[in-house]
Amino acid sequence: QVHLVQSGAEVKKPGASVKVSCKASGYSFTGNYIHWVRQAPGQGLEWMGRINPYTGDTDYAQKFQGRVTVTRDASISTAYMELSSLRPDDTAVYYCTRSFYANDYWGQGTLVTVSS
Amino acid sequence: DIVMTQSPDSVAVSLGERVIINCKSSQTLLYSPNNRNYLAWYQQKSGQPPKLLIYWASTRESGVPDRFSGSGSGTDFSLTISSLQAEDVAVYYCQQFSVDHSWTFGQGTQVEVK
Repeated sequence: QVHLVQSGAEVKKPGASVKVSCKASGYSFTGNYIHWVRQAPGQGLEWMGRINPYTGDTDYAQKFQGRVTVTRDASISTAYMELSSLRPDDTAVYYCTRSFYANDYWGQGTLVTVSS
Repeated sequence: DIVMTQSPDSVAVSLGERVIINCKSSQTLLYSPNNRNYLAWYQQKSGQPPKLLIYWASTRESGVPDRFSGSGSGTDFSLTISSLQAEDVAVYYCQQFSVDHSWTFGQGTQVEVK
């Protein structure tokens, strides 16, 4: 059974960075892209980027270019999303999600709060 | 980036009635080499991650009730709930997962019971 388990909630100050992890199990980690999607309180879904766990190749939404980095450690079936230069409007739940065709499995979400 | 626009923003219907949600993309999502539309629909209930309902515009994900159906091609798509059930109250999102290297979601449609 496929599971994506994310790291716990974070509280950060403006200007800091945050790194969220996503551990996959129940399938071959290198066989499917891992994406990161965020959702601000009361708002919609926002696609941030993705990684090919086999090659390490990444794609990012234009909005986050230069501020987001997605990496992976295939030896432990874990993907990471690091967001830098945090602002209060980066406060959101961050989800990792696998794609087969579309996003078929999702992590439980990680709340990142940015506040001084 | 491809822009996805859903309508309406919210809809309220009685139990058992039909719901139609529309989604329009700023570019065609039809990929000619395989004749597939790279369009998916998700359901998100309060406090939960999204759940994939439909991909390739009209293919129902395993386990999704057949009252949910998707249609459309190119730039115009629809999600239909044929007979609204209480458990269908949620926000619904369309998403383009195109061969482009950037995916995007629509803004969401809230479905409620009247």
